[in-house]
Amino acid sequence: EPEVTQTPSHQVTQMGQEVILRCVPISNHLYFYWYRQILGQKVEFLVSFYNNEISEKSEIFDDQFSVERPDGSNFTLKIRSTKLEDSAMYFCASSEVGNYGYTFGSGTRLTVV
Amino acid sequence: AQSVAQPEDQVNVAEGNPLTVKCTYSVSGNPYLFWYVQYPNRGLQFLLKYITGDNLVKGSYGFEAEFNKSQTSFHLKKPSALVSDSALYFCAVRATGGGNKLTFGTGTQLKVEL
Repeated sequence: EPEVTQTPSHQVTQMGQEVILRCVPISNHLYFYWYRQILGQKVEFLVSFYNNEISEKSEIFDDQFSVERPDGSNFTLKIRSTKLEDSAMYFCASSEVGNYGYTFGSGTRLTVV
Repeated sequence: AQSVAQPEDQVNVAEGNPLTVKCTYSVSGNPYLFWYVQYPNRGLQFLLKYITGDNLVKGSYGFEAEFNKSQTSFHLKKPSALVSDSALYFCAVRATGGGNKLTFGTGTQLKVEL
């Protein structure tokens, strides 16, 4: 069964550093998403991406965040200058046109110290 | 704005007994509803979804959910719980015609004991 792949599974970074979280969505999916889950809290929407541009973003997704599809397979989330409160599990997801299902990756646990 | 409520932080049930995990939603227009399960240190696994049609939806691992429009609910059920069903369960909603984002509930920890 096709999977959404996320790397790394765990990343530790110092406050103020830039991090890039990587995702390989399912190959025939055209919608891509990032969600995050702060430990013990609910899963929150960050951003959706379609046709090489952001289609929707939440209030959380401020100027410190950016997304990119640098090639035909990867989808990345960059946090420019990490804060302690960015520590969370970040999930990538993808979906195909006309299908209402979303496939999530296994997540990247980001720890900011 | 769309929202999901999962009123129970934890549900405990004995193995072999039926289980119910509750979910209610609020959305403009018709909802698309989803259940996901999360095992420790794992990602979100899709269980089932309601888009249209029959109100009773059957999904993976013997789970099912019933869409009730008048009560704006989408409770997850299973006739006979297994210890291996113990996990964190999330209900999510997406509004039709209003973008693709999912809004999740706070999650319900299901604990199935022998």
